[in-house]
Amino acid sequence: AQSVTQPDIHITVSEGASLELRCNYSYGATPYLFWYVQSPGQGLQLLLKYFSGDTLVQGIKGFEAEFKRSQSSFNLRKPSVHWSDAAEYFCAVGAQAAGNKLTFGGGTRVLVKP
Amino acid sequence: GAVVSQHPSWVICKSGTSVKIECRSLDFQATTMFWYRQFPKQSLMLMATSNEGSKATYEQGVEKDKFLINHASLTLSTLTVTSAHPEDSSFYICSASSTGAINQPQHFGDGTRLSIL
Repeated sequence: AQSVTQPDIHITVSEGASLELRCNYSYGATPYLFWYVQSPGQGLQLLLKYFSGDTLVQGIKGFEAEFKRSQSSFNLRKPSVHWSDAAEYFCAVGAQAAGNKLTFGGGTRVLVKP
Repeated sequence: GAVVSQHPSWVICKSGTSVKIECRSLDFQATTMFWYRQFPKQSLMLMATSNEGSKATYEQGVEKDKFLINHASLTLSTLTVTSAHPEDSSFYICSASSTGAINQPQHFGDGTRLSIL
């Protein structure tokens, strides 16, 4: 079975500082990996995804993520955060062999200090 | 593009009533729609997968008779919470996919907050 762990429940970062959110997955083969962002009381927006190829993927809103097979990780980064980046971030894993379903991590809430 | 509309956004009702939530893909055809449940400060848990024109596939532990899902067209899926009770209060989110394949992104609605009194 596939699973996702986001070790950090909360992260507080100053505006303009860099941000890194951790994501570790468990799956027998190379999974499809996603990062989503959720603003309070709203649905999820896809930031980026990794299927294959270049292990460093660029997403929207200045985010990027790096797939590291040896560490079973798919960490999300942003060089300089903006106050509008305060939200909940979810890492998700999916696979064809798992019925094309997404399994989400527990989420990381990002707070941005002025 | 790829807009998913979910309605209503918030509903409060008495215990014992049934509540219907709609999920519409506004600018694309969705072969597959997914229904999730999210408890406060927790992650999304998949409840069921619905494919247009066929019966929904429910995840283990989800009561089919409690959560009725209909996907009658390529742009509309509905979730009906029957005889709702306070423990059914939650945030319900739908997503839609053009093919349901994992390499096709799921587009999410804004969710429905259900409060049962």
